[in-house]
Amino acid sequence: SQTIHQWPATLVQPVGSPLSLECTVEGTSNPNLYWYRQAAGRGLQLLFYSVGIGQISSEVPQNLSASRPQDRQFILSSKKLLLSDSGFYLCAWSPDKIEQFFGPGTRLTVL
Amino acid sequence: DQQVKQNSPSLSVQEGRISILNCDYTNSMFDYFLWYKKYPAEGPIFLISISSIKDKNEDGRFTVFLNKSAKHLSLHIVPSQPGDSAVYFCAAIDSGSARQLTFGSGTQLTVLP
Repeated sequence: SQTIHQWPATLVQPVGSPLSLECTVEGTSNPNLYWYRQAAGRGLQLLFYSVGIGQISSEVPQNLSASRPQDRQFILSSKKLLLSDSGFYLCAWSPDKIEQFFGPGTRLTVL
Repeated sequence: DQQVKQNSPSLSVQEGRISILNCDYTNSMFDYFLWYKKYPAEGPIFLISISSIKDKNEDGRFTVFLNKSAKHLSLHIVPSQPGDSAVYFCAAIDSGSARQLTFGSGTQLTVLP
């Protein structure tokens, strides 16, 4: 069966520091991969999606970036965090771009 | 432009009664709809989906109804249980062209014991 992992589970970082969140999927190949953010009291905002290695589409201009160095690995990064980057970050995968399955999420607090 | 709207941010229902969660959409090209539930500090959990060729899909206590002419879908939970208390998101996609789901803003369901 397929599983999706995210780490770390929680992270507290100072403003201006770098960020690296990792997501890996097991039990499938060539999945579509997604990064979402849920800000406090708000819905899910799609940040990036990827249909293959090295292929990244950005949905929202911001100081975040994403990379897919391997088929089942998706990384969310920032060179300098802002206070507004705080939120709950979710990685998801999909076999067919329709049904998406989410990871456990990372709670990021920027101080 | 919000293409998928959940106009009720919250809903409270008594245990054992029916919960009805509503969702409206504006894009007539959407042809597949999904419902997720989300507990705090966890990832959303897929519940049930429906294709636009159907108007109803049922899975246990969960039933999704689709009214294409009204561009409206609803999720019915019967009977509601305290463990159903969560945020419910509807999502939609135009499977022919889009590569990602469009999510609503969510409805917080509270089932009272």
